[in-house]
Amino acid sequence: GDSVTQMEGPVTLSEEAFLTINCTYTATGYPSLFWYVQYPGEGLQLLLKATKADDKGSNKGFEATYRKETTSFHLEKGSVQVSDSAVYFCALSGSSNTGKLIFGQGTTLQVKP
Amino acid sequence: DAGVIQSPRHEVTEMGQEVTLRCKPISGHNSLFWYRQTMMRGLELLIYFNNNVPIDDSGMPEDRFSAKMPNASFSTLKIQPSEPRDSAVYFCASLVGAKFPFFGQGTRLTVV
Repeated sequence: GDSVTQMEGPVTLSEEAFLTINCTYTATGYPSLFWYVQYPGEGLQLLLKATKADDKGSNKGFEATYRKETTSFHLEKGSVQVSDSAVYFCALSGSSNTGKLIFGQGTTLQVKP
Repeated sequence: DAGVIQSPRHEVTEMGQEVTLRCKPISGHNSLFWYRQTMMRGLELLIYFNNNVPIDDSGMPEDRFSAKMPNASFSTLKIQPSEPRDSAVYFCASLVGAKFPFFGQGTRLTVV
């Protein structure tokens, strides 16, 4: 079945450092890919998405490119801030378009001043 | 738009008691999802509804769990009887069309 694998955390960075969180997926057909973010005590918020190969999703300085050849959707940000500290989830929605999401395990990011 | 509204935000109950979690989806959204989040298993889909009809409940762990959606603006997830291993954060999400789901803030359930 479909699945998502994320790099294990926690990831601890200093402010203004470069961030990469790896995400790879296994799916049949052409899934849509998402990054959600969960701040402490909050629900999940959509950070960015991509619906087809080579699409780049971007928001709030974060970017991720849908790479079908490597089945990857790595999250990057050039300069992290303390306020980016959160748990980041990579997810896919299968090509059946039901809206059901399959999530990775989540990666905790802590940014220190 | 108030977003997806879940209640209660926190629930502490004793083992064996019935627990009911509630969700109000975003108005106009026609699909609703219940997820459970635990440290061990991450985020798991329990059940989802489309136009108030349960479509896939394969993620519901046991017969102790049941979910209903009596109308387009309300859904419940019930656990009867509750057990300590049901302790988790339960999220409700809704969407319309082939978009992305919006999540509520979750209900943190603790069964002692």
